[in-house]
Amino acid sequence: AQTVTQSQPEMSVQEAETVTLSCTYDTSESNYYLFWYKQPPSRQMILVIRQEAYKQQNATENRFSVNFQKAAKSFSLKISDSQLGDTAMYFCALNNAGNMLTFGGGTRLMVKP
Amino acid sequence: GAGVSQSPRYKVAKRGQDVALRCDPISGHVSLFWYQQALGQGPEFLTYFQNEAQLDKSGLPSDRFFAERPEGSVSTLKIQRTQQEDSAVYLCASSLNAGIDYGYTFGSGTRLTVV
Repeated sequence: AQTVTQSQPEMSVQEAETVTLSCTYDTSESNYYLFWYKQPPSRQMILVIRQEAYKQQNATENRFSVNFQKAAKSFSLKISDSQLGDTAMYFCALNNAGNMLTFGGGTRLMVKP
Repeated sequence: GAGVSQSPRYKVAKRGQDVALRCDPISGHVSLFWYQQALGQGPEFLTYFQNEAQLDKSGLPSDRFFAERPEGSVSTLKIQRTQQEDSAVYLCASSLNAGIDYGYTFGSGTRLTVV
């Protein structure tokens, strides 16, 4: 069985500052993918960034980057130059051989002006 | 369509009533998933289709839950004799192929409230 844990229920950051959201996971599979999803009040899950376990290089998408520590089973998300539109729930998710996504409990991020 | 469409957006059901939730995936997407998201929690897997075949239904919480995708496109999640604990957002997602590395596109979900 796989698990995903997000230890920060809520975070806040000032506009233009940097914030890091934490995620740890557990899986017995050697090949898997990790994702960060954003869920605004509209409820639609929006893919922010993904990381393949075999790739050592950390994924980057514009202002979003990850710190993937495979041995520690840690997958944190860094948001640089935070914008008001980044306010949302953020979910870390794991996808392995079973096809389905296993989600963490989420972190509510508030960007303050 | 351009995205995953779910209907209705909101549904209020009286306890004991049957409900049907619809998901219209992106055209041509092979894989379709249903998730249940309780208030303040992360989504939890319910079931998975590859074309019309239901390959995994291990997440369905009881035999009151039933899902189908008869022609490999539109899917319906049916809940019989709804209970208060069924209140949640039901999310549908689709993927072009059946592989763990492909990104999923989610719909905006149906918020079910059982009163």
